[in-house]
Amino acid sequence: KQEVTQIPAALSVPEGENLVLNCSFTDSAIYNLQWFRQDPGKGLTSLLLIQSSQREQTSGRLNASLDKSSGRSTLYIAASQPGDSATYLCAVSGSARQLTFGSGTQLTVLP
Amino acid sequence: DAGVIQSPRHEVTEMGQEVTLRCKPISGHDYLFWYRQTMMRGLELLIYFNNNVPIDDSGMPEDRFSAKMPNASFSTLKIQPSEPRDSAVYFCASIYSPAGNTIYFGEGSWLTVV
Repeated sequence: KQEVTQIPAALSVPEGENLVLNCSFTDSAIYNLQWFRQDPGKGLTSLLLIQSSQREQTSGRLNASLDKSSGRSTLYIAASQPGDSATYLCAVSGSARQLTFGSGTQLTVLP
Repeated sequence: DAGVIQSPRHEVTEMGQEVTLRCKPISGHDYLFWYRQTMMRGLELLIYFNNNVPIDDSGMPEDRFSAKMPNASFSTLKIQPSEPRDSAVYFCASIYSPAGNTIYFGEGSWLTVV
């Protein structure tokens, strides 16, 4: 059974810092990996999707990497802003499209 | 498109009552998922449909839970009878698989069973 772990569970940084969120998964036979953002009281918004054949994806200040063989992914956020404060979730997909989620990293960016 | 629409957004009900949560996926999407989120267990997949057909309901916690998708634009998740441990946020999500795997979530139904 696939298990997804995210470290750290919570992170607080001053504005402007670059930061890295970590995700690991136990079964490397994945279809893709996605990073999501969740704001309090809201649903999840997909940030980046990395297909199993890819090694990274970039969108603006966000960069996500995937090392399928070691079962790891990182989400890099450059020049963090208070508006980046949210919970970030990592999820992996099997061939049947269903997602297995990590427990998330709660990020606070202090002005 | 308005996105995935869920109703009700918030519901408080008494133990033993029937609860029905509703979802309208994005038009044209062929996969629909029901997830439950709690502080203790995080996000868990309950059931998902492909072209209105249930594919995997192994995540449904027990027989008190049932889900239907009578057509491509509507799904329900029913809990009967409800129990306090069912209190959670229930999310519906959908995918248009020919266009990739970006999944779109609704804003959730916040259920409290007292």
